[in-house]
This record gives sequence, structure tokens and C-alpha cells, in this order.
Amino acid sequence: AQSVTQLDSQVPVFEEAPVELRCNYSSSVSVYLFWYVQYPNQGLQLLLKYLSGSTLVKGINGFEAEFNKSQTSFHLRKPSVHISDTAEYFCAPGRLPFRGGYNKLIFGAGTRLAVHP
Amino acid sequence: DGGITQSPKYLFRKEGQNVTLSCEQNLNHDAMYWYRQDPGQGLRLIYYSQIVNDFQKGDIAEGYSVSREKKESFPLTVTSAQKNPTAFYLCASSLYRVEGNTEAFFGQGTRLTVV
Repeated sequence: AQSVTQLDSQVPVFEEAPVELRCNYSSSVSVYLFWYVQYPNQGLQLLLKYLSGSTLVKGINGFEAEFNKSQTSFHLRKPSVHISDTAEYFCAPGRLPFRGGYNKLIFGAGTRLAVHP
Repeated sequence: DGGITQSPKYLFRKEGQNVTLSCEQNLNHDAMYWYRQDPGQGLRLIYYSQIVNDFQKGDIAEGYSVSREKKESFPLTVTSAQKNPTAFYLCASSLYRVEGNTEAFFGQGTRLTVV
């Protein structure tokens, strides 16, 4: 089954510094990957997604991610973070092709990004 | 605008009482999900439903119940059997019979506190 592993539970960084949040995936079938962001006391919202095509995916708020098949990774990056980027970030695989039965939507364990002034 | 609405945003419950959390979506999504989130933890799946009148237990279904009588609605009842119900509850929806592009849309969450 498709799954993801977020390698860092917390990432502290200073404002205007670059950041990378790491996500590795495992899958024996086609790969679809998502990054979501959750601000305090809110639901998750989509940052970006990789379905096919270009391996560099751009999302909202200046974030981007690169799909790397050889390293089975989908790391999220931002060249210069702001205080407002402080949030929890979740990596998630897309659902496998529909074959009937039941398919859950699953998420990585999350990475808490803390941006300090 | 299409979206998914959870209510109430904050809920207080006395021990021993059942309480129902509302989740409504107007995105025409077949699949709906309930997650529980505790401080410093990720999302744990409680129940999910892929079509009307059908739902499946997730990883932590004990002490919870759901119904799916309408496509738009997927209410969650936290029963008195749930031993530690204080948490942040998130409802989500997505397309179902679509390969891969299963973007999830989330409500704003309900914070339940047992007093």
C-alpha cells in the first residue's frame, strides 16, 4: 500500500531563512503526492500536489516541492520563510486506483514548523 | 462557494453525555471522513464513508458512531463510552472514484472539551 514518512517532527528556523520539510514515500504503483498545511485551530488546506508531469511543483504561499523518484522523496521547500508560515505540515499519498473495496485517506505524522524572529 | 462546514467550533460536554458533531459539505463528494487530532499528534482516522448508507471503522472507532443518510452530511456522535474524548475533531471529504487526484477538503474543526 502507498504510504509516506515525514522525517522531522519539528523544524525550528529563523525568519527569512530557507526551509526544507522532508517526506519519503513508498509505493508499488503510480505515485500521487500532496502537501497540506494546518494553521493553529484550523482544518488542513492543500499547499500543492504532484500527479504527473514536471517533478517540480509550485504551490501557494511560495512553497514548492520536488518529486524525486530515485530517492522516493517529495520534500517541501521555501527559500525564505515568514513568521506566518508557522504551522503544521502534512505529507499525504493519493489514493490508489479504484478497484472497489475501501480505501482510506491517510496522512503523514506531520512536521511542526516554528519560525522565529 | 462550495465547501465543508463543521459545527459547532467549540463544544463542552459533561462526563457521561453523548454529543453529536455536525459535518456538511456541498462539494458533491462521495467520500467523507472523521479524524481526531490530539496535541502534538497527527490525524487519526475514526470513521469514513465512501457512499450513502455505508461507512467503515477507522483506526480508533471505539466510543464513536456515525451515520450517512445523505450524501452531504456525515455526523459524528461521541458516546459516553469514549474514555478520553477531549480533542480536536476534523471532518474531510474527497472525490472517491477518481484515481490519484484525491485532494481532501477539510472543515475548520470542532474542539470538544469534557468538563
